[in-house]
Amino acid sequence: AQKVTQAQTEISVVEKEDVTLDCVYETRDTTYYLFWYKQPPSGELVFLIRRNSFDEQNEISGRYSWNFQKSTSSFNFTITASQVVDSAVYFCALRTFSGGYNKLIFGAGTRLAVHP
Amino acid sequence: TAGITQAPTSQILAAGRSMTLRCTQDMRHNAMYWYRQDLGLGLRLIHYSNTAGTTGKGEVPDGYSVSRANTDDFPLTLASAVPSQTSVYFCASSDGAGGNQPQHFGDGTRLSIL
Repeated sequence: AQKVTQAQTEISVVEKEDVTLDCVYETRDTTYYLFWYKQPPSGELVFLIRRNSFDEQNEISGRYSWNFQKSTSSFNFTITASQVVDSAVYFCALRTFSGGYNKLIFGAGTRLAVHP
Repeated sequence: TAGITQAPTSQILAAGRSMTLRCTQDMRHNAMYWYRQDLGLGLRLIHYSNTAGTTGKGEVPDGYSVSRANTDDFPLTLASAVPSQTSVYFCASSDGAGGNQPQHFGDGTRLSIL
């Protein structure tokens, strides 16, 4: 079964705190891709990062960092020194090749509220 | 840059009526997708199109139809709307159906079926 689990439904932090959003995935594919999207209150979906199954290097982009661990099937997302503008719903997604199309399986999302 | 344009932004529709949600992209992406977003369920794929002239069913295709007459447009039609189709609908596109390219999303259409 292909599945993405974001166990944290909502997280509330105070500005400048670090916060980690968890993502656990299930797939039998050996080749797959993982994504994170951000959905701010305005509603649009913004692509943040893509990671393929053969590259377990962690990635840092400014205050954002991602930790990919195949051994635990996790692709966690950390925001350092959070800001109010980080308040959004964050979706983790798994891309598999089943069915012959670019199939993105989304987690249910984690709503992050950053308070001043 | 426009990217993906969806119309209308929102709509209230009586049950039993038909409705077409429009989606246009200007990135010349081959692949396009329609998702619905429901609270607690994330986004679920309704239909997809790998290239102009072809379409396919996603996870939740029942009650919806699509067409892909050209590269830029991918309309989604509800032939006879039901209240369970109340949702936010997102159109997306990607540069290629088989690669690792991310999907880019429109701003969504909020549809309420009464």
